[in-house]
Amino acid sequence: QVQLVESGGGVVQPGRSLRLSCAASGFTFTSYALHWVRQAPGKGLEWVAVVSIDGSRTHYADSVEGRFTISRDNSDNTFYLQMNSLRAEDTAVYYCAREGSGSSWSSFDYWGQGTLVTVSS
Amino acid sequence: QSALTQPASVSGSPGQSITISCTGTSSDVGGYNYVSWYQQHPGKVPKLMIYDVTKRPSGVSDRFSGSKSGNTASLTISGLQAEDEADYYCSSYTSTSTFVFGTGTKVTVL
Repeated sequence: QVQLVESGGGVVQPGRSLRLSCAASGFTFTSYALHWVRQAPGKGLEWVAVVSIDGSRTHYADSVEGRFTISRDNSDNTFYLQMNSLRAEDTAVYYCAREGSGSSWSSFDYWGQGTLVTVSS
Repeated sequence: QSALTQPASVSGSPGQSITISCTGTSSDVGGYNYVSWYQQHPGKVPKLMIYDVTKRPSGVSDRFSGSKSGNTASLTISGLQAEDEADYYCSSYTSTSTFVFGTGTKVTVL
C-alpha cells in the first residue's frame, strides 16, 4: 500500500534552517509529482510546493518562494523540503503528499502523517 | 495566491443534504477542471474526497459529489451521517502552476 513517512521536524530558532524528508513506498515513485502542504496550529491547509516527476520543475507558494527548496531523489524514493530563513509564521504541521494524477497536476491523493515544525526562540 | 472562499460553517440533520461552496477566480477554479475536496477530522490527516471537480476516488461514498459553475465549485453531501462531521477544504490548480486551498468549512451534523 502507498506509504509516505515524514521526518526532520522539530524546534528551530528564527532565521535558522531545517530539512524535512519524506520516504515513499508502495508505488512507482518516478511516476508521480510530489507536494508539501502545511497546516498552522488551529488553521487551514496551505499548499507549499510541488516537484515534477524528474525533479526538473518546481513551484512554490509566494509565502515560501526564495526560502524553501523542494527536491527529490528518485534513486532513494525520498523527497525533501529544505527550509531556510525560517520565520515564526512557518510554524505548522508539514505534510508530504502524492500528486493524484499521473499526467497532470490536480490533487493530493495520499498524505503522510505530518511532522511538526516549530519556529521559536 | 489568495485562499479560495468557503463558508465558515454548514450544518444539517442526519439524512439531509448539504452543499459547500468554494469561490475563486478565472485564474484558478474557473480556469481549470482541477478542483479537489478534502475531509479532515480533528487531529487526523486530510482525505481526498473529490478530484477533477466531479470524480470520486475508490472507496469514497457516493453520497459525496462535486460540481462547478463558473468560478464557484461545490461539494454536496447527501444523506448526511454523523461520521461526516469534519472540516472540508477545496483546492484548485492555478494559472501560475501552483495550488490554492479554500478557507475551510466546518460541517456539523445536528
